[in-house]
Amino acid sequence: GQNIDQPTEMTATEGAIVQINCTYQTSGFNGLFWYQQHAGEAPTFLSYNVLDGLEEKGRFSSFLSRSKGYSYLLLKELQMKDSASYLCAVLDSNYQLIWGAGTKLIIKP
Amino acid sequence: IAGITQAPTSQILAAGRRMTLRCTQDMRHNAMYWYRQDLGLGLRLIHYSNTAGTTGKGEVPDGYSVSRANTDDFPLTLASAVPSQTSVYFCASSGGTSGREVNEQFFGPGTRLTVL
Repeated sequence: GQNIDQPTEMTATEGAIVQINCTYQTSGFNGLFWYQQHAGEAPTFLSYNVLDGLEEKGRFSSFLSRSKGYSYLLLKELQMKDSASYLCAVLDSNYQLIWGAGTKLIIKP
Repeated sequence: IAGITQAPTSQILAAGRRMTLRCTQDMRHNAMYWYRQDLGLGLRLIHYSNTAGTTGKGEVPDGYSVSRANTDDFPLTLASAVPSQTSVYFCASSGGTSGREVNEQFFGPGTRLTVL
């Protein structure tokens, strides 16, 4: 079966750095997305990786290793508004997005 | 409108009743999706449509039906609601022209449905 694993919940301090990991086992791979979802709102796009390596966008970076079935999302200079759930999703061989259950990130002052 | 709209925003429904959740997008995207989101389970695909006139079953299709008469609208119908269908329902679309935009999904604001 297809499976995406990410931690259920993480806590970090304002101003710090946090890394959210995602491991996947899917039938094929055509890209990996990270989405941010604030409580009571819809998911919104954060990043996309299709080749190995690091993609940087401001305070957020995402890394992919296809051989290891592994990605992480790195958030720097954490702000209170970064408190949200972060969803990892893999595009499988049928170009369907397979979603992880999400990681709830709690930021403390 | 800009993006995707869903209606109603929330609904309380008696078990056994029929309910249609509406979804409309104005981005001219070919593909549309219906998900349900439950605590601890993440987003689960109910039905999808790759283009107007075609639909397909996702991971959890039982008890739900969809239609795609045109590009913009993708309604989801619960023929006879049951309490296990209490959830938050998200409609999404994709269909950019190149790169990640082809598969990046844009989400509507969601419908919070409670079946009693």
